[in-house]
Amino acid sequence: EDQVTQSPEALRLQEGESSSLNCSYTVSGLRGLFWYRQDPGKGPEFLFTLYSAGEEKEKERLKATLTKKESFLHITAPKPEDSATYLCAVQAPQGAQKLVFGQGTRLTINP
Amino acid sequence: GAVVSQHPSWVICKSGTSVKIECRSLDFQATTMFWYRQFPKQSLMLMATSNEGSKATYEQGVEKDKFLINHASLTLSTLTVTSAHPEDSSFYICSARGLEGYTGELFFGEGSRLTVL
Repeated sequence: EDQVTQSPEALRLQEGESSSLNCSYTVSGLRGLFWYRQDPGKGPEFLFTLYSAGEEKEKERLKATLTKKESFLHITAPKPEDSATYLCAVQAPQGAQKLVFGQGTRLTINP
Repeated sequence: GAVVSQHPSWVICKSGTSVKIECRSLDFQATTMFWYRQFPKQSLMLMATSNEGSKATYEQGVEKDKFLINHASLTLSTLTVTSAHPEDSSFYICSARGLEGYTGELFFGEGSRLTVL
């Protein structure tokens, strides 16, 4: 069974304090790993898709990396507006259109 | 990025009534739409996959007679919660994938919060 585990469950940082969020996955034949940002009461906002180990993508203060077993979302010098829940999801060949989501990491950036 | 719109964004209803939630892709044609359910502080759980012009595929444990899904056009899918009960109160989110140009990416609507009294 495809599984996605995110850690930590919650993370509090001071503004400017860089850190990383982890997404560990077990899936037979990864077709893609996705990162989304979700604000309270809103739908997820697409951030990145990673397809193969070694791939990296960046967007502003965020950088996503992928290995064969996990993905990291690095946040550099975060600002309070980066506070949100960050969701990781994987897409596997079987039922290939579906995404399996992790529980998310609730990130809070204090000014 | 692509825009997916849901309506209504929130709804309150009495127990036993039915509620319809619409999901529209505004700037692309969506052959496939997905309906998710999310409880407070929990992740998204896929309920069903709907393909335009065919019956929806429901995930294990999701009652298809309870949650009716219709995907009548390439830009509209609807979720109807029939005979709603308080335990159906949740945040329902749809997502859509386009015909081309958006391969691998799912774009989500803003979500619809259902409260059943």
